[in-house]
Amino acid sequence: DSGVTQTPKHLITATGQRVTLRCSPRSGDLSVYWYQQSLDQGLQFLIQYYNGEERAKGNILERFSAQQFPDLHSELNLSSLELGDSALYFCASSPALLGRDTIYFGEGSWLTVV
Amino acid sequence: AQSVTQLDSHVSVSEGTPVLLRCNYSSSYSPSLFWYVQHPNKGLQLLLKYTSAATLVKGINGFEAEFKKSETSFHLTKPSAHMSDAAEYFCVVRLGGYQKVTFGTGTKLQVIP
Repeated sequence: DSGVTQTPKHLITATGQRVTLRCSPRSGDLSVYWYQQSLDQGLQFLIQYYNGEERAKGNILERFSAQQFPDLHSELNLSSLELGDSALYFCASSPALLGRDTIYFGEGSWLTVV
Repeated sequence: AQSVTQLDSHVSVSEGTPVLLRCNYSSSYSPSLFWYVQHPNKGLQLLLKYTSAATLVKGINGFEAEFKKSETSFHLTKPSAHMSDAAEYFCVVRLGGYQKVTFGTGTKLQVIP
């Protein structure tokens, strides 16, 4: 158990809908990352937050947004969903921003868009 | 800029034989390097990491990796494969500060009984 908690574990929704994925980082970790893993794209970095502020942005679509709250949990919002958004979404956390910090991954949220 | 290349998308070994998963990186600065393992339908688990201390790093489940600056490599090895090692392995490079983490494309390890 990495200590990173993601909910829901599985989600099935229809095209055009909006969903929110939730992540609780490890206790004390200030940095949160979101990744998307799909069969055709592999593991893609979406976005990183540190102590409530956005710090790095990857291949995140404009239909997607995220935030980190004062209690350090984070949410990834996916809107106007398309079939191609079906993927496993990982949240990860690390203590700070240091390069040597280990990044710990949650078990992921499986999103299926039908 | 930084990048990481996993040279093999699939590796197949027999149970009890050595494992070698190759990773090369490109970085302007001294990076931190990690190997993660992902079993089917599971999250990513840290195997080991290099952070500028000893160049030979020992990880969990008998895996180890050696940082070779001259070859810009961080290959993952294990002396004897076990069936439970069948999974996908990701090499990761990270710089300090606010740089995002860069993942390799992954290597799927198959272990044949």
